[in-house]
Amino acid sequence: DAGVTQSPTHLIKTRGQQVTLRCSPISGHKSVSWYQQVLGQGPQFIFQYYEKEERGRGNFPDRFSARQFPNYSSELNVNALLLGDSALYLCASSSLSVWSGAGRVEQFFGPGTRLTVL
Amino acid sequence: LAKTTQPISMDSYEGQEVNITCSHNNIATNDYITWYQQFPSQGPRFIIQGYKTKVTNEVASLFIPADRKSSTLSLPRVSLSDTAVYYCLVGPRDDKIIFGKGTRLHILP
Repeated sequence: DAGVTQSPTHLIKTRGQQVTLRCSPISGHKSVSWYQQVLGQGPQFIFQYYEKEERGRGNFPDRFSARQFPNYSSELNVNALLLGDSALYLCASSSLSVWSGAGRVEQFFGPGTRLTVL
Repeated sequence: LAKTTQPISMDSYEGQEVNITCSHNNIATNDYITWYQQFPSQGPRFIIQGYKTKVTNEVASLFIPADRKSSTLSLPRVSLSDTAVYYCLVGPRDDKIIFGKGTRLHILP
């Protein structure tokens, strides 16, 4: 079975540009979460979408936005890129919302998209 | 927020048992404790999750005392391929999922 896939794998942009990152969850998973991981730090939560609705948001500016499509794939958009946006962007899928209270909700992470802002 | 504290780094040798302890003093009643493993340039991988007492799976054990203010991930007979960063998470709640800085485990031959 295919795991979580992300595209592109690497991306180079310049300050002020806009970027769109894409994620396809594991088949049957309805939840997608996005994380930013700066070198040497743990992943920082950006968004979670479940059944096409935003269910959680981290401490990121409005330049960051996301959406989830009817097939449960997702896009993360970042506008007006800053140097500090350079990071590994991770997507994770799960069968349930992590806030479902159902106990074990394992998140499956993709390989990430490495974004470099020059 | 559910804050966790872990050692920044640990060294061990192949074949040894490794125990990584995580402190989470403000854990809430509904919080679960989850551990992830991450290799360089890869996404984190779920290892184990528990609520109380002891949980064991094919790769690790998780020990949680009665007060649940800490937890210990136990990796039996580690190998070089267990060199990675290990994250302890508590929650989720407050609409956020929090990864700390993790513990960098280095296995020596």
